[in-house]
Amino acid sequence: GAVVSQHPSWVICKSGTSVKIECRSLDFQATTMFWYRQFPKQSLMLMATSNEGSKATYEQGVEKDKFLINHASLTLSTLTVTSAHPEDSSFYICSARASEGTPIYEQYFGPGTRLTVT
Amino acid sequence: AQSVAQPEDQVNVAEGNPLTVKCTYSVSGNPYLFWYVQYPNRGLQFLLKYITGDNLVKGSYGFEAEFNKSQTSFHLKKPSALVSDSALYFCAVWGTYKYIFGTGTRLKVLA
Repeated sequence: GAVVSQHPSWVICKSGTSVKIECRSLDFQATTMFWYRQFPKQSLMLMATSNEGSKATYEQGVEKDKFLINHASLTLSTLTVTSAHPEDSSFYICSARASEGTPIYEQYFGPGTRLTVT
Repeated sequence: AQSVAQPEDQVNVAEGNPLTVKCTYSVSGNPYLFWYVQYPNRGLQFLLKYITGDNLVKGSYGFEAEFNKSQTSFHLKKPSALVSDSALYFCAVWGTYKYIFGTGTRLKVLA
């Protein structure tokens, strides 16, 4: 089946620095990718939807300037957490829409990236 | 507002026994309902979905779920649990344009 990878799987950074998380569709082209944030003992919350070659659409309450999303190719989307603070520590998960012709709810999820800001 | 509730943080069941993981939902219109499973350090894996048709939906790894419109429930079931079923299970509903996930239920199958 389709595989979505994320890199790194975990990262520790210092407060005030920026960190980039990559999401790749390994064996299919993903025109639409999604970024979620998962808090401990809480559900996944959609942060933004990114379409290849265009600006991401952010959910209400998500800071666009803090969480920069770039979907530069059909197999890669990146999430950059800028000027990270401890409250940004979380588990970040990406997903990719199966293909343009499938329902948008058919998504393949990556394994997630654990971000810890010290 | 659309929402999903998973009332149990954790469910413990003995290996070989039947298991049920509960989910209720609140949506306007006909719901699109899903179950996903998350293993440690792994992405969410799709188990099954209900879009339309038979209320009993069969999915991967022997799991099934029953859509009950009157009770607005979509409980996940398996006749005989395996230790390898131990994981975090998420119920979700497809909202206007995005997933609405429950808070997850950790299933622990005891040998």
